[in-house]
Amino acid sequence: GIQVEQSPPDLILQEGANSTLRCNFSDSVNNLQWFHQNPWGQLINLFYIPSGTKQNGRLSATTVATERYSLLYISSSQTTDSGVYFCAVGSNFGNEKLTFGTGTRLTIIP
Amino acid sequence: SAVISQKPSRDICQRGTSLTIQCQVDSQVTMMFWYRQQPGQSLTLIATANQGSEATYESGFVIDKFPISRPNLTFSTLTVSNMSPEDSSIYLCSVESSRLAYGYTFGSGTRLTVV
Repeated sequence: GIQVEQSPPDLILQEGANSTLRCNFSDSVNNLQWFHQNPWGQLINLFYIPSGTKQNGRLSATTVATERYSLLYISSSQTTDSGVYFCAVGSNFGNEKLTFGTGTRLTIIP
Repeated sequence: SAVISQKPSRDICQRGTSLTIQCQVDSQVTMMFWYRQQPGQSLTLIATANQGSEATYESGFVIDKFPISRPNLTFSTLTVSNMSPEDSSIYLCSVESSRLAYGYTFGSGTRLTVV
């Protein structure tokens, strides 16, 4: 099956700093999503981005499908950004499971 | 996107008992997915539930331990049977969003602790 690797596994930053999270995947995909899991366990959908670039406020994401990676950018970090960020991919949208990466745990220090 | 109501949000259960988790979706969906997240780990798919047919289980998961019902296109349940402390996890249901280009959306999760 498809393999998904995320880096770094852990990241500790001061409030206001910028960060880049990376997701590498081993095969072609037609679905890629970034999620934020907050400390209460809720999984929030940040981006659906199988290719191209999207931005939403302080967050943006880029997927280069031909090179099998995606990047999540967080600018001007806030303490509420803390949590675990997951990349998940699928190869047959609507009829196939999502395969999740191992996640990046982000801690923002005031 | 689709809105999923999942309950209970958390529970503490005695070993040997069973817990049924419910997910209600605000729109009709063909497939519903059940995931498990063990402490400190990523999410792993347990099974895919289609309305009107038996669920399809991933390797390592069996129907006797995780029976699933899918009585209609908006509702599904997952039961964790004969629980042991190793079943302590977050369980989440997921559906394909009804809105194009949004991907899959998840319920708020059930945090289960088995003592």
